[in-house]
Amino acid sequence: QLVLTQSPSASASLGASVKLTCTLSSGHSSYAIAWHQQQPEKGPRYLMKLNSDGSHSKGDGIPDRFSGSSSGAERYLTISSLQSEDEADYYCQTWGTGGWVFGGGTKLTVL
Amino acid sequence: EVQLVESGGGLVQPGRSLRLSCAASGFTFDDYAMHWVRQAPGKGLEWVSGISWNSGSIGYADSVKGRFTISRDNAKNSLYLQMNSLRAEDTALYYCAKGSTPLRGYDSLFDYWGQGTLVTVSS
Repeated sequence: QLVLTQSPSASASLGASVKLTCTLSSGHSSYAIAWHQQQPEKGPRYLMKLNSDGSHSKGDGIPDRFSGSSSGAERYLTISSLQSEDEADYYCQTWGTGGWVFGGGTKLTVL
Repeated sequence: EVQLVESGGGLVQPGRSLRLSCAASGFTFDDYAMHWVRQAPGKGLEWVSGISWNSGSIGYADSVKGRFTISRDNAKNSLYLQMNSLRAEDTALYYCAKGSTPLRGYDSLFDYWGQGTLVTVSS
């Protein structure tokens, strides 16, 4: 069964960098994923598609501070030069058999 | 500018029905798959249903299969979700989302989201 696992929370200081992780369940390490950001009280926003080889394509208007990388079954979202508006929930998503699967989300706090 | 505006949410009793709508603008609606995704209060995202650009392929989450029906009217640039036999666990903010690749099924990932409409199922 396809499962995406994310840490429930992460924190980092203003101006620093943070790396969020999404782990694909066993047998699914070749899958591409998408990252979405959800700021408080807002609808989600598409950040990027991230392939298993680490190549990624970002959504419209997504700053260069957001980047993606991959290693085995792990997919990463790195945010550099953290700003206050980056405080949000971050979800990974992938296509499973007959439907879409989301990770549980990571709540990022900017200190 | 792509815009997705959901409507039709509200308070409904268990067992009753509700129909959600999503008005789309800023892109060629009939070229893209569309989706409904929900978020229960304080919880994460759950995909509900998707429909291809031409309504030729449709999918549902197991949790709503047989109770919810997705449809689209390309002439009206609108997406719908008919929700029957509603349960308390269907209480959530319902978002519509746009597929990213033209002329694909509902397996194309999402690149735009609406702001959501709240459905509360309670007696």
